[in-house]
Amino acid sequence: DADVTQTPRNRITKTGKRIMLECSQTKGHDRMYWYRQDPGLGLQLIYYSFDVKDINKGEISDGYSVSRQAQAKFSLSLESAIPNQTALYFCATASQFGPQTQYFGPGTRLLVL
Amino acid sequence: TQLLEQSPQFLSIQEGENLTVYCNSSSVFSSLQWYRQEPGEGPVLLVTVVTGGEVKKLKRLTFQFGDARKDSSLHITAAQPGDTGLYLCAGGPSNYQLIWGAGTKLIIKP
Repeated sequence: DADVTQTPRNRITKTGKRIMLECSQTKGHDRMYWYRQDPGLGLQLIYYSFDVKDINKGEISDGYSVSRQAQAKFSLSLESAIPNQTALYFCATASQFGPQTQYFGPGTRLLVL
Repeated sequence: TQLLEQSPQFLSIQEGENLTVYCNSSSVFSSLQWYRQEPGEGPVLLVTVVTGGEVKKLKRLTFQFGDARKDSSLHITAAQPGDTGLYLCAGGPSNYQLIWGAGTKLIIKP
């Protein structure tokens, strides 16, 4: 079984709809991250969390919110989706120890019409 | 703002050729990681370098961290179609966040 799972893998939604992307991990890591990836722009950090009570904004948090329901679960919400949020979204985890190696889920491909 | 620039952005070569991709910055990083991403999947770590001048080898892949810890290179010897993918470098300015390059898209033609 995969260590980091994301649901759904693909999602098509309409402008103005609220959607939630979910991430679960079995690695036992405290740190979790949400990124978006657009062609030619690499990975952009949306939010990150160091434990259940800790939530931090990344470089592109506007239009997004997150919830850390448990150590193993970190969800990303788009309150009112817009077309420029069409992208590939990745969840990642990392141990609090060592050089911050990040372990990624398989991604969610989101299309906002 | 710390940035990592990767070059080239895109590279297409024939099987058996050698290649080098670069990751450069004007900032110093405490560590630098290389990841490979295949279509439909998340990035997967290849290597982490932490010491200036460090060289690590992973089969046909050779990674080098610059002496000043501002740049890194990835050299692939005798490239194979299985090397095809997006190669991402990521620098560790701190113990909680990575700075990501935009990636080099590599295609190895049989």
